[in-house]
Amino acid sequence: EAGVAQSPRYKIIEKRQSVAFWCNPISGHATLYWYQQILGQGPKLLIQFQNNGVVDDSQLPKDRFSAERLKGVDSTLKIQPAKLEDSAVYLCASSPPRIGQETQYFGPGTRLLVL
Amino acid sequence: AQSVTQLDSHVSVSEGTPVLLRCNYSSSYSPSLFWYVQHPNKGLQLLLKYTSAATLVKGINGFEAEFKKSETSFHLTKPSAHMSDAAEYFCAQRMTTDSWGKLQFGAGTQVVVTP
Repeated sequence: EAGVAQSPRYKIIEKRQSVAFWCNPISGHATLYWYQQILGQGPKLLIQFQNNGVVDDSQLPKDRFSAERLKGVDSTLKIQPAKLEDSAVYLCASSPPRIGQETQYFGPGTRLLVL
Repeated sequence: AQSVTQLDSHVSVSEGTPVLLRCNYSSSYSPSLFWYVQHPNKGLQLLLKYTSAATLVKGINGFEAEFKKSETSFHLTKPSAHMSDAAEYFCAQRMTTDSWGKLQFGAGTQVVVTP
């Protein structure tokens, strides 16, 4: 079974530029999560999708971050414009339909450096 | 409010000696608790989870954790450390106020294994 795929793996941009990350979850997983992991901290949930609908985006900085999951499969997370404090690893995770929802499977992450 | 506290930010052990990673939780309800491991430049991998069944939970790679309600703890142990156990470990709990399975992570414990 293929795991969660993410691209790019690394990205360096200057502040005020825009950037986008892509995630393809495990086939059949209805729930998709985007986490931000700042160096030295645990992952923090940014947004959670159930199929193609948002069920939690309470910690997403909506003035600069946006995410979509068209057709309920892969997803993109965008930052525009980026700030220095957005430097972090962005992790995508997915989980099966509701009964098995407690186990989340993580991708390798995208490491973003904002200069 | 719910919280997860990992009591050690760094743990150093010698190969072949026991490993103990400490995690305390705060929850008003019976929690679901997890341990994840993150190797360098990799995504998080589930080691084990507690979901109100047996209090001693066995996971992958020889790890186990014991749920102690009286101490609000869920410490992770391994009898004999291997060099490949060098990684960062995260304790997490499922948010009981959230019906969609949101996880709250601790800040992580970095494990160093010396020969």
